[in-house]
Amino acid sequence: TQLLEQSPQFLSIQEGENLTVYCNSSSVFSSLQWYRQEPGEGPVLLVTVVTGGEVKKLKRLTFQFGDARKDSSLHITAAQPGDTGLYLCAGASIHGYTGNQFYFGTGTSLTVIP
Amino acid sequence: NAGVTQTPKFQVLKTGQSMTLQCAQDMNHEYMSWYRQDPGMGLRLIHYSVGAGITDQGEVPNGYNVSRSTTEDFPLRLLSAAPSQTSVYFCASRGGPRDNYGYTFGSGTRLTVV
Repeated sequence: TQLLEQSPQFLSIQEGENLTVYCNSSSVFSSLQWYRQEPGEGPVLLVTVVTGGEVKKLKRLTFQFGDARKDSSLHITAAQPGDTGLYLCAGASIHGYTGNQFYFGTGTSLTVIP
Repeated sequence: NAGVTQTPKFQVLKTGQSMTLQCAQDMNHEYMSWYRQDPGMGLRLIHYSVGAGITDQGEVPNGYNVSRSTTEDFPLRLLSAAPSQTSVYFCASRGGPRDNYGYTFGSGTRLTVV
């Protein structure tokens, strides 16, 4: 069961443009994380948002958690070639008796053209 | 450098063979997980552990076994490899159950079953 859907699946933009990536679900999550993955490597954590409506900024990246804690967005301002990679969202869902587990979205592959 | 170490990086198996994917972390993390990554599917949870001696199933556990005899090691065993298990496998660890703990991922094992 895929709990999280990301859009768009692929995105190719010119350096300097702005973009937004979306992560949507019908499930409520206690928190949501965003990761970036480069080819041949594992994902690397960018941010965790835990409160509905929360907004976090990381340099040119802005992350928002939906009020109902079912969705999130990642906005990149003035994209640079170094932003190229696969962006993954991951929602924390109570799993059995052993605590939270994170379920990952389908991913957005971003290419920034110099 | 501290982190999650996975071996091997690449493996080719014949259908029906068994093997163990190794995972070790040196951060004293209690939580460890195994994910598989397939194109368009994101990362799917196979098995996870919340401490030595405690394991549980994730979304796609069939065909895989795990054990956790120490905090550091969390091997994944393929019992009888099938072509459907061709994938990239990631091991990840996190420091605790709180939502703001992010995963640290290994660099992955690319497995091909022929």
